[in-house]
Amino acid sequence: EPEVTQTPSHQVTQMGQEVILRCVPISNHLYFYWYRQILGQKVEFLVSFYNNEISEKSEIFDDQFSVERPDGSNFTLKIRSTKLEDSAMYFCASSEALGGDQPQHFGDGTRLSIL
Amino acid sequence: AQSVTQLDSHVSVSEGTPVLLRCNYSSSYSPSLFWYVQHPNKGLQLLLKYTSAATLVKGINGFEAEFKKSETSFHLTKPSAHMSDAAEYFCVVNPGYGGATNKLIFGTGTLLAVQP
Repeated sequence: EPEVTQTPSHQVTQMGQEVILRCVPISNHLYFYWYRQILGQKVEFLVSFYNNEISEKSEIFDDQFSVERPDGSNFTLKIRSTKLEDSAMYFCASSEALGGDQPQHFGDGTRLSIL
Repeated sequence: AQSVTQLDSHVSVSEGTPVLLRCNYSSSYSPSLFWYVQHPNKGLQLLLKYTSAATLVKGINGFEAEFKKSETSFHLTKPSAHMSDAAEYFCVVNPGYGGATNKLIFGTGTLLAVQP
């Protein structure tokens, strides 16, 4: 069964450094998402992306964050200058189409630790 | 505001006994509801979804859930627990807004322990 893959599985970065999290969505999917889960808290929506632009973002997704689809397969989340509070598990997801009934398929996540 | 409440943070059952994980939702529109499972160090796997068709939804691994609009509930059940069911379970809502959003709203999760 096709799946969403994320790399790396664990990223350790010094505060203030830039970090890029990578995702390969399912190949025929058109909608891409990032979510995060801070330890002990809920999974939270960050951003959705379609047709090479952001379609929706949360208030968490400030100017420090950006997303990109640099080629036909990868979808990346960049954090420009990391803060301690950015430490979390980051999940990438993709769906075939837009619509409430379309399930989103998640990767295994990248655990980001900011020191 | 749209929200999801999972009433139990931890549930413990014996192997072979029924499982009930409770979820209530709040949505102004016709929501789509999902249950996802997360095994340790793994991603979120879709168990089942409700999207305004049949109110009793069957999912993978013998799980099912019933949508009850009058109670705003979407509880997850399984007749007989297996050791491999031990994981964290998330009730998730897509509020709908007529298709204008795909933002998922997650519950806080229920950690299911299965005792031998």
